[in-house]
Amino acid sequence: SQTIHQWPATLVQPVGSPLSLECTVEGTSNPNLYWYRQAAGRGLQLLFYSVGIGQISSEVPQNLSASRPQDRQFILSSKKLLLSDSGFYLCAWSQTGMADTQYFGPGTRLTVL
Amino acid sequence: SQQGEEDPQALSIQEGENATMNCSYKTSINNLQWYRQNSGRGLVHLILIRSNEREKHSGRLRVTLDTSKKSSSLLITASRAADTASYFCATLTGANNLFFGTGTRLTVIP
Repeated sequence: SQTIHQWPATLVQPVGSPLSLECTVEGTSNPNLYWYRQAAGRGLQLLFYSVGIGQISSEVPQNLSASRPQDRQFILSSKKLLLSDSGFYLCAWSQTGMADTQYFGPGTRLTVL
Repeated sequence: SQQGEEDPQALSIQEGENATMNCSYKTSINNLQWYRQNSGRGLVHLILIRSNEREKHSGRLRVTLDTSKKSSSLLITASRAADTASYFCATLTGANNLFFGTGTRLTVIP
């Protein structure tokens, strides 16, 4: 069966520090991968998605970037965090061509102080 | 935008009662999904209904879709305390963008 992992589960970082969140998927190959951010009490905002290694699409211009160095690995990064980067970050995967059914990881709670 | 919007924003019911949540969207869709999110956790896919379907059931869940009104409803029958969660509708925009609504926060009181 397929599983999706995210780490760390929680993170507290100072403003201006770098960020690296990792997401890995097991049990499937060539998945579509997604990064979302959820502000407190709000819906999800799609940040990036990837349909293959090295292929990244950005949905919202911002302080963040994403990379996909391996088929089942998706990384969310920032060189300098802002206070507004605080939130709940969720990674998800779907089968190729089936973006309407996505499977989510447990999320990372990021607090920027 | 394609954004789905759920109402009510929050719903509190007694265990055993039914819970109904509604979702509206703005443009044509191929299908609509409902997800559940327990507090501080990832989302879990509940059910997908296609644009040519009017109603779909899965266990205690019943989803309806009215494409003429661009709306969907999620009914949870005989609610349990474990159903306490936020519920989101989502629609696909483009090939890969799943657009989520702002969610309904359901509290089931034991």
